[in-house]
Amino acid sequence: AQSVAQPEDQVNVAEGNPLTVKCTYSVSGNPYLFWYVQYPNRGLQFLLKYITGDNLVKGSYGFEAEFNKSQTSFHLKKPSALVSDSALYFCAVRDVGNTPLVFGKGTRLSVIA
Amino acid sequence: NAGVTQTPKFRILKIGQSMTLQCTQDMNHNYMYWYRQDPGMGLKLIYYSVGAGITDKGEVPNGYNVSRSTTEDFPLRLELAAPSQTSVYFCASTRGQNYGYTFGSGTRLTVV
Repeated sequence: AQSVAQPEDQVNVAEGNPLTVKCTYSVSGNPYLFWYVQYPNRGLQFLLKYITGDNLVKGSYGFEAEFNKSQTSFHLKKPSALVSDSALYFCAVRDVGNTPLVFGKGTRLSVIA
Repeated sequence: NAGVTQTPKFRILKIGQSMTLQCTQDMNHNYMYWYRQDPGMGLKLIYYSVGAGITDKGEVPNGYNVSRSTTEDFPLRLELAAPSQTSVYFCASTRGQNYGYTFGSGTRLTVV
């Protein structure tokens, strides 16, 4: 069965600095990987996905993620953090077929001005 | 384009009561999902559907039931509410498994 781990409950970064939110996964076949963001009292919003192709994928709001098959990781990155990026971030994975997404526990990002 | 609409937004139930959480999408998506979100636990899948008339259990289905009579609607039924069902419930849909999910704004349920 597929699983995903987000090793950090909280990440703090200064505004203007680069940010990284970590995610590792486990699947039996080729992974389908996603990142979502949740602002307070809101539903989750899709940021980006990796299905196949280039290991570096770009998404909404200047975010990008790097797929690393050998390390089974899919870390979320942004070159320059904004205070408005402060939110809860979820990594999700699914295996082949019609299996639903499995979500990590989430990482709370706090960007400090 | 409303996307995924969930009602109600908030509800307080007494132990043993029942209720239905409504979910409607206007994007003609075949795939629909119910997740619950508990603090520090991420999202857990309750039930999902790959099309009208087809439903399947997720990771935490006990105490819940679903139906999918139309493409648009995917209601979640709670029978005999228990304090363990206190949570935030999210409905989501997608047009295909290679696409991102569209989430509703959630229903915050408290069972007392």
